[in-house]
Amino acid sequence: AQKITQTQPGMFVQEKEAVTLDCTYDTSDPSYGLFWYKQPSSGEMIFLIYQGSYDQQNATEGRYSLNFQKARKSANLVISASQLGDSAMYFCAMRERNAGGTSYGKLTFGQGTILTVHP
Amino acid sequence: DSGVTQTPKHLITATGQRVTLRCSPRSGDLSVYWYQQSLDQGLQFLIQYYNGEERAKGNILERFSAQQFPDLHSELNLSSLELGDSALYFCASSVGVAGGHETQYFGPGTRLLVL
Repeated sequence: AQKITQTQPGMFVQEKEAVTLDCTYDTSDPSYGLFWYKQPSSGEMIFLIYQGSYDQQNATEGRYSLNFQKARKSANLVISASQLGDSAMYFCAMRERNAGGTSYGKLTFGQGTILTVHP
Repeated sequence: DSGVTQTPKHLITATGQRVTLRCSPRSGDLSVYWYQQSLDQGLQFLIQYYNGEERAKGNILERFSAQQFPDLHSELNLSSLELGDSALYFCASSVGVAGGHETQYFGPGTRLLVL
């Protein structure tokens, strides 16, 4: 079963507008972390924002905010005031405990959303 | 710049060959992860090391192996290469393994092309 689902293969937004990229996740572990990464056409993976499963408030980092709805198991990324440089692939990822439950390990990634910002 | 370095940036080789990808984690990070990104499989976790010890394995083929050395750098060895091994290979590092909150910082990746 897909643990991270990003249902939007592609999104378009006008420069200076806000855009929401969807992410839903599936886990039975009460302790987990949710991350968003940006991958520009150059290929590198850039960390954007983190939300912990026990965090009471939604995470924010500059123009990025995470709309965390735990009961719905969703962690949508909101980018405000889009810029041309925001055009990239965006990945949602989850970090859970390794098998055995004693440590944390891998990130499980969604399929990504390609965001295109129009001038 | 994430502080994670990977060499080489690009690698072109032939089927049946063996290659070694190298990764140096961020200063202070003890945990190293390897991921493979391909068009058909997306981003897949391969293996994790923490302070020299293997901690978790993902969908890593038997033809692939990795290790983390005492100076904490890591190498991913890919042997008997097949066309389908062509992909972008990422190394990532984090401080440790104690919490789900620890951010993994990614290197620039090694783009492998098997001809």
